[in-house]
Amino acid sequence: AQSVTQLGSHVSVSEGALVLLRCNYSSSVPPYLFWYVQYPNQGLQLLLKYTSAATLVKGINGFEAEFKKSETSFHLTKPSAHMSDAAEYFCAVTRTGGSRLTFGEGTQLTVNP
Amino acid sequence: EAGVTQFPSHSVIEKGQTVTLRCDPISGHDNLYWYRRVMGKEIKFLLHFVKESKQDESGMPNNRFLAERTGGTYSTLKVQPAELEDSGVYFCASSLQGVRKNYGYTFGSGTRLTVV
Repeated sequence: AQSVTQLGSHVSVSEGALVLLRCNYSSSVPPYLFWYVQYPNQGLQLLLKYTSAATLVKGINGFEAEFKKSETSFHLTKPSAHMSDAAEYFCAVTRTGGSRLTFGEGTQLTVNP
Repeated sequence: EAGVTQFPSHSVIEKGQTVTLRCDPISGHDNLYWYRRVMGKEIKFLLHFVKESKQDESGMPNNRFLAERTGGTYSTLKVQPAELEDSGVYFCASSLQGVRKNYGYTFGSGTRLTVV
């Protein structure tokens, strides 16, 4: 069985500050990991994915995440927050071959001016 | 390429009525998934089609939910009769078929279902 824990249902940062959204996973097999973002009144958009290649993954909009097997973590970071980053972020895990995703509960990011 | 399309975007129905949600995946994507998010909780898996076959329907909450995928193209999710606890956002996603490689998943914008 697989599971995902996102630490902090709400995170608030100032514009220009570092964004750090935490994700820890549990998986009995090598995982594939994803970060999705949902802007208000929109669907889920893929930010980035880890598929067993490079452990540091760069995504869209300046986000990146590092896969750390020893810590079972896949934290999402962005050096400098923009107001437009305000959204809900979801970490998800799956096995290979198009299996279903298991999501965390989501983290609502607020960016203050 | 066109994305995953879901409609309606919103639906408000009374308890006991029937609602049918539709999902059009990306052309050529054999995998189609339904997920649901209820009341700000985590997004939960409902079922997975590979072409027209149900690969995994372990997430379907009960027999009031019926999913079909006609000819391996679009899919419908029918709720009959709807209950208050069925309210939430229903997401559809599609992906290419792969055994050793995960090609990623493209999500639709979701259908917000409100049962009153």
